[in-house]
Amino acid sequence: AQKITQTQPGMFVQEKEAVTLDCTYDTSDPSYGLFWYKQPSSGEMIFLIYQGSYDQQNATEGRYSLNFQKARKSANLVISASQLGDSAMYFCAMRERNTGNQFYFGTGTSLTVIP
Amino acid sequence: DGGITQSPKYLFRKEGQNVTLSCEQNLNHDAMYWYRQDPGQGLRLIYYSQIVNDFQKGDIAEGYSVSREKKESFPLTVTSAQKNPTAFYLCASSIVVGQPQHFGDGTRLSIL
Repeated sequence: AQKITQTQPGMFVQEKEAVTLDCTYDTSDPSYGLFWYKQPSSGEMIFLIYQGSYDQQNATEGRYSLNFQKARKSANLVISASQLGDSAMYFCAMRERNTGNQFYFGTGTSLTVIP
Repeated sequence: DGGITQSPKYLFRKEGQNVTLSCEQNLNHDAMYWYRQDPGQGLRLIYYSQIVNDFQKGDIAEGYSVSREKKESFPLTVTSAQKNPTAFYLCASSIVVGQPQHFGDGTRLSIL
């Protein structure tokens, strides 16, 4: 079974609008962490935001927020006030304590911001 | 500036040849990682190292080898046993295993 599922291969959003990128995960480990990374066309992976399984509040970092719904095992990324520079691939990732904190990545969502 | 440097940016391999991808970090991180990314795919873990002189296999270690003789360096060798090496290779590091990873700019490997 896939540990991380991103069901949206591609998304479009109008500049200055908000967009939600979906991520669901599968684990039986009570201790895990969820991450979002951005990969521009140049290839480097940029860390955006982190949510721990025991965190009570949803994580926020500037225009990025993580909508963490533990019972539904979802960790959606919300980008507010989209900018042209947000156009990139976005990857959701999870690490589990019981697999030695190894990271598992989803297949990614390509986001295009339209002027 | 602190960061992770991967070299070369592009690499070509002949059939039956071993090639080594370089990864150097000056972030003073203990943990380092190598990932492979194929088109339209996420990242898959090849090897990781929690500390100097220690490393563990990831999900797709066959046909690859690593060493960790210095904290700053974690080179990856793609051996001739790796039959489909064409991919984008990303090196990463973190303070310790499990913390957010910082990535290099990647090396794109192709077969001649």
